[in-house]
Amino acid sequence: GAVVSQHPSRVICKSGTSVKIECRSLDFQATTMFWYRQFPKQSLMLMATSNEGSKATYEQGVEKDKFLINHASLTLSTLTVTSAHPEDSSFYICSARVAGLPSEQFFGPGTRLTVL
Amino acid sequence: EDQVTQSPEALRLQEGESSSLNCSYTVSGLRGLFWYRQDPGKGPEFLFTLYSAGEEKEKERLKATLTKKESFLHITAPKPEDSATYLCAVQAAGGYQKVTFGTGTKLQVIP
Repeated sequence: GAVVSQHPSRVICKSGTSVKIECRSLDFQATTMFWYRQFPKQSLMLMATSNEGSKATYEQGVEKDKFLINHASLTLSTLTVTSAHPEDSSFYICSARVAGLPSEQFFGPGTRLTVL
Repeated sequence: EDQVTQSPEALRLQEGESSSLNCSYTVSGLRGLFWYRQDPGKGPEFLFTLYSAGEEKEKERLKATLTKKESFLHITAPKPEDSATYLCAVQAAGGYQKVTFGTGTKLQVIP
C-alpha cells in the first residue's frame, strides 16, 4: 500500500521560533499533498493543498505567511510554522494523493507540535 | 457547504457484539465517500472508498455500505483490536474536490 512518512513525530519549541515538518510519499509519486490540523476530539481541518511545482492553496482563515508550504518534488512537501506561538500547538497531519479522480488520501503518522 | 455528521460520538461494545456506525452527509454531488480508522496519536489509516449508492465493501470484520444520504460501517463480532476512532469523509464533485471529514466515532471493544 501507499506509505507516507512525516518527520519529526514530535517537536517542542520555544515561542517565536520556526518549525519545519516534512512529509514524504515513500513508494509512490504524489501529485497532490494536503496538510491538516487536528485538535483533541475534533475533526481533521484542512489547512492547505499542495501541488508539486506550484503555490499551495490555503483554506479560508489559514495564514499563508505563517504556515509556509513547499512542494519541491513529487515525493516531498514541507510545512514550516513560522514564529510559532502556544496557540499553534496541535497535531499536524499530511496526506498524499496519487493522480486520479476520485482517489484516496494516504496519511502520514502525524507530528505533535508543542510550543512553550 | 458540505457536511458530514457521524453518530454515535462514542460506542462501547463487548467483544463479539456486532453494531453499526453511521455517517450522514450532504454534499453537492458526491465524488466519493471514505472511511478511515485512526488510533490515538497516529494518522488515519485508509479503509474503504464508496462511490455510488448501493455499493458495499468488506474488509475482515468491517463492511461499509452507502445510500444517497448516509453510509454505515458495520462491525461484525468485534475484537479489542478494533478499538479506534473511525472517521468518515466525503469528496465533492467539482473543480476543487475538497475532502470534508466528520468528527468520528470512538469505538471501544471490551474483552
